[in-house]
Amino acid sequence: NAGVTQTPKFQVLKTGQSMTLQCAQDMNHEYMSWYRQDPGMGLRLIHYSVGAGITDQGEVPNGYNVSRSTTEDFPLRLLSAAPSQTSVYFCASSYYGYEQYFGPGTRLTVT
Amino acid sequence: AQSVTQPDIHITVSEGASLELRCNYSYGATPYLFWYVQSPGQGLQLLLKYFSGDTLVQGIKGFEAEFKRSQSSFNLRKPSVHWSDAAEYFCAVRGGSQGNLIFGKGTKLSVKP
Repeated sequence: NAGVTQTPKFQVLKTGQSMTLQCAQDMNHEYMSWYRQDPGMGLRLIHYSVGAGITDQGEVPNGYNVSRSTTEDFPLRLLSAAPSQTSVYFCASSYYGYEQYFGPGTRLTVT
Repeated sequence: AQSVTQPDIHITVSEGASLELRCNYSYGATPYLFWYVQSPGQGLQLLLKYFSGDTLVQGIKGFEAEFKRSQSSFNLRKPSVHWSDAAEYFCAVRGGSQGNLIFGKGTKLSVKP
């Protein structure tokens, strides 16, 4: 099993550009989520999904969009990138909300 | 509101010394608690978890944690630290039925030779 995979590993965007961070898992987990990690802030939940077709907002959803068309994939879209979205993004999955398995992260810089 | 507090931002210990990282949580019901470790440039790896039962839980890499309901604490311990334990450690509580995790801000561990 590959577990949770994320692409790309690194990305640089200019302000106003859009992009999609990819996340996939092969563990047949229903629950998937996106976090951002900023220095001194821990991890904060952006969006999550409890199954295909079901998504909801977390603590810091503004500027991000998600959809869940399959169990395996949970992409995160930045609609119009801003410097405040410079961060490390982690995707995670779990079996019905028990321990979460994290991907390796995407380091995003917005200039 | 649910929250997790890790009072120590940075701790330095000597190799071979014992370690205790503190975690306090605020949660109304019986909490599900986790400790994760993050090495530089890496993702998060689960060290151990507490759902119910024995309040002393064993994890990977020789770590253990004790759940104390009366103190709302879930401190992480290791009897003898190795240089490879240098990393950032996060305590988290499962908040709500959907399983969202609420993280503390982390404790960075440095290990002196």
